[in-house]
Amino acid sequence: DTGVSQDPRHKITKRGQNVTFRCDPISEHNRLYWYRQTLGQGPEFLTYFQNEAQLEKSRLLSDRFSAERPKGSFSTLEIQRTEQGDSAMYLCASSFTSSRDIFGQGTRLTVV
Amino acid sequence: QQQVKQSPQSLIVQKGGISIINCAYENTAFDYFPWYQQFPGKGPALLIAIRPDVSEKKEGRFTISFNKSAKQFSLHIMDSQPGDSATYFCAASTGPETSGSRLTFGEGTQLTVNP
Repeated sequence: DTGVSQDPRHKITKRGQNVTFRCDPISEHNRLYWYRQTLGQGPEFLTYFQNEAQLEKSRLLSDRFSAERPKGSFSTLEIQRTEQGDSAMYLCASSFTSSRDIFGQGTRLTVV
Repeated sequence: QQQVKQSPQSLIVQKGGISIINCAYENTAFDYFPWYQQFPGKGPALLIAIRPDVSEKKEGRFTISFNKSAKQFSLHIMDSQPGDSATYFCAASTGPETSGSRLTFGEGTQLTVNP
């Protein structure tokens, strides 16, 4: 499989719990993005990595959110003390400099 | 701040017809304008993209028209098919050559093509 892989595809969690999502980009891609998409809306940018460095974070990324990309390979997005407003599709995209962004299938988070 | 505005919100077209979706942007630093197609439960998939140095780009049944002075661009789907029924998003960025070229998306258009 040469696409962007995200795990899990679906996550249901209780309010207040912590959750972690994983993204495996296309192997040669040095850029990795996280987006959040709520129902009926376009994806909104959360954060961007070039290799292992986190170079940009959106104002949407509150203190409860943290993302890492150790060794410039896979990335994780953690949400602490989840709230119902965190319910959304979390999308990961990767690209190589000058190439198009390839999106994964997303992780659908439901906070109950 | 909504930097990319998309219309219509929904569109119903008969098979074989032309689907037209419009977008307008505010940030003049944008220089890369892709269109994405998204099916339910899937991630967005790139359809076609354009840079502002050309006014039109065609790939198969999909055409982007770009008007730099008006800061508008549109997607035309010729000979629309039921399999084209999906949500379409326009987007804009400062270009993949620029470090951190994150995409700003429009609100999306739900296209239904009736058989």
